[in-house]
Amino acid sequence: EAGVAQSPRYKIIEKRQSVAFWCNPISGHATLYWYQQILGQGPKLLIQFQNNGVVDDSQLPKDRFSAERLKGVDSTLKIQPAKLEDSAVYLCASSFGTGGDYGYTFGSGTRLTVV
Amino acid sequence: QQPVQSPQAVILREGEDAVINCSSSKALYSVHWYRQKHGEAPVFLMILLKGGEQKGHEKISASFNEKKQQSSLYLTASQLSYSGTYFCGTNTNAGKSTFGDGTTLTVKP
Repeated sequence: EAGVAQSPRYKIIEKRQSVAFWCNPISGHATLYWYQQILGQGPKLLIQFQNNGVVDDSQLPKDRFSAERLKGVDSTLKIQPAKLEDSAVYLCASSFGTGGDYGYTFGSGTRLTVV
Repeated sequence: QQPVQSPQAVILREGEDAVINCSSSKALYSVHWYRQKHGEAPVFLMILLKGGEQKGHEKISASFNEKKQQSSLYLTASQLSYSGTYFCGTNTNAGKSTFGDGTTLTVKP
């Protein structure tokens, strides 16, 4: 089966600019997640979708980050305006049910560098 | 709360064994393990649900001691391809997962 697709792979922007990431999960996976992975650390959850509804966005910095999953399939994550500390890899993951029951399939990620 | 992984790093020769531990301060519903190579996505290895089961995946297996709230990943007869960073993810319920900061495994010829 096709994996989780993400684009772009790399992005370099200046602080205060905006950026958007795209994710297409595995077909049939109802649950979609966005994680932030800072170098040397484990992934940290930003937002979880179940179909096209938000399940958990408690750790999403809502003053600058937004995400949507229209039609319950692909998703976009946006940062506006970006800060230097947003430099990280942004991983999209999907799961058949929930990650706690089935584990996650991760995409290759988008490496964001804010200068 | 984030699980604690130990050791932070380990260096092995091909054919040697390794154990990576993942401990939580909270009662766990499940533990899942991933391997991430540099610049690549984390790859799912296995998931263990509460019940103290042990699972295997080729020469990689894991145990889950729910009383001690910890899991261990066992890598036997290490191969060069086993090099990477291993992450555990833990759940206190089926919903939200929290990941450790990883254990870097280097296998040398």
